[in-house]
Amino acid sequence: AQSVTQPDIHITVSEGASLELRCNYSYGATPYLFWYVQSPGQGLQLLLKYFSGDTLVQGIKGFEAEFKRSQSSFNLRKPSVHWSDAAEYFCAVGANSNYQLIWGAGTKLIIKP
Amino acid sequence: KAGVTQTPRYLIKTRGQQVTLSCSPISGHRSVSWYQQTPGQGLQFLFEYFSETQRNKGNFPGRFSGRQFSNSRSEMNVSTLELGDSALYLCASSEQGGETQYFGPGTRLLVL
Repeated sequence: AQSVTQPDIHITVSEGASLELRCNYSYGATPYLFWYVQSPGQGLQLLLKYFSGDTLVQGIKGFEAEFKRSQSSFNLRKPSVHWSDAAEYFCAVGANSNYQLIWGAGTKLIIKP
Repeated sequence: KAGVTQTPRYLIKTRGQQVTLSCSPISGHRSVSWYQQTPGQGLQFLFEYFSETQRNKGNFPGRFSGRQFSNSRSEMNVSTLELGDSALYLCASSEQGGETQYFGPGTRLLVL
């Protein structure tokens, strides 16, 4: 079955520290991979996406993610977090042969001052 | 291009009433997906429309329905509202459906 797992429900990091949010997927076809961010009470904003090519993709707000096919992972990273990065982050998987995205449960990022 | 718009942004209803939410996709996008988001259940897929046809449906009761018009605008309707229907309802549009989705700000529904 197709699924996306974000193993961390909450993550707390200090401002200025590095961040890695994990995403693992189970998908039969070659996937499209996405990371979205949601601030409280808002819609979801696309951070970055991977369709093909270079497995390290750069996104907005200084985020990057690396696709590792052998590990079925698409982890999100940022070298130095800012208080404004506090939000919920969602990983999603799709495919050209499907018409909907499969979503992870989300990881809530808390920033310590 | 203008982004995805949803109206209304906030809504208060009482149990047993019905509600209609509207979504206008990005110009040129033919696929519209609807999601329900609650603190306990996370982001749950309701249904997806493409060219006025429902292509995918999530695991929700028949009280939840939708439609799409020829201009790709979409509405979702919830009849006989229950307290548990209180949620943020998100609409997302994309060109064909399985690729990048762009989200609206959501409609927050409170059922009393």
